Amino acid sequence: DIVLTQTPLSLSVTPGQPASISCKSSQSLLHSDGKTYFSWYLQKPGQPPQLLIYEVSNRFSGVPDRISGSGSGTDFTLKISRVEAEDVGVYYCMQSMQLPWTFGQGTKVEIK
Amino acid sequence: EVQLVETGGGLIQPGGSLRLSCAASGFTVSNNYMSWVRQAPGRGLEWVSLMYSTGTTKYADPVKGRFTISRDNSKNTLYLQMNSLRAEDTAVYYCTRGNAGAAAGWGQGTLVTVSS
Repeated sequence: DIVLTQTPLSLSVTPGQPASISCKSSQSLLHSDGKTYFSWYLQKPGQPPQLLIYEVSNRFSGVPDRISGSGSGTDFTLKISRVEAEDVGVYYCMQSMQLPWTFGQGTKVEIK
Repeated sequence: EVQLVETGGGLIQPGGSLRLSCAASGFTVSNNYMSWVRQAPGRGLEWVSLMYSTGTTKYADPVKGRFTISRDNSKNTLYLQMNSLRAEDTAVYYCTRGNAGAAAGWGQGTLVTVSS
């Protein structure tokens, strides 16, 4: 199985400041079709996860442009340019390049 | 508006069976790949099962041979039949709709508790 390792596991951020989460894969997520099946999710307290970013860097519908994804191969990053109160929760990365789909351990983001 | 509503969770004894349902609206289940993802209390996310639009099904090793994913096109509903349940199956089960290789839509989840 592909292992995804997120760092850090927790993050305390001052509103208006940037934040960054890393996710490293145990193997390349570049599919033979040329796409990289890697996505980011946010699970707000008491809610189901919601898709933020798909195929590394594509924002899902309704996701603000202060949230961005980047990376390739085995190294990926989620960046929030200016953290807001609504960004609190646990962020997960996920790979769907190969079954079983696997998730990172999650990164808990809180506001200072 | 895309909506997924899971039902069928509850308290069940080890070895028992449950069938979860995921009623979809705003899109056609059979035209999408659909999956089940679970989250044990206080834990992270774990993929459980997937059904492609073709009807092909896939399972995570911990549930293979015990869980069955299916759909009823007439009801636009996805199911997860869970047999021989174990304590470690205790979790909130989410139904998801796939798009562009991601789990684009999630239901609110249904809690399954396996305990005597």
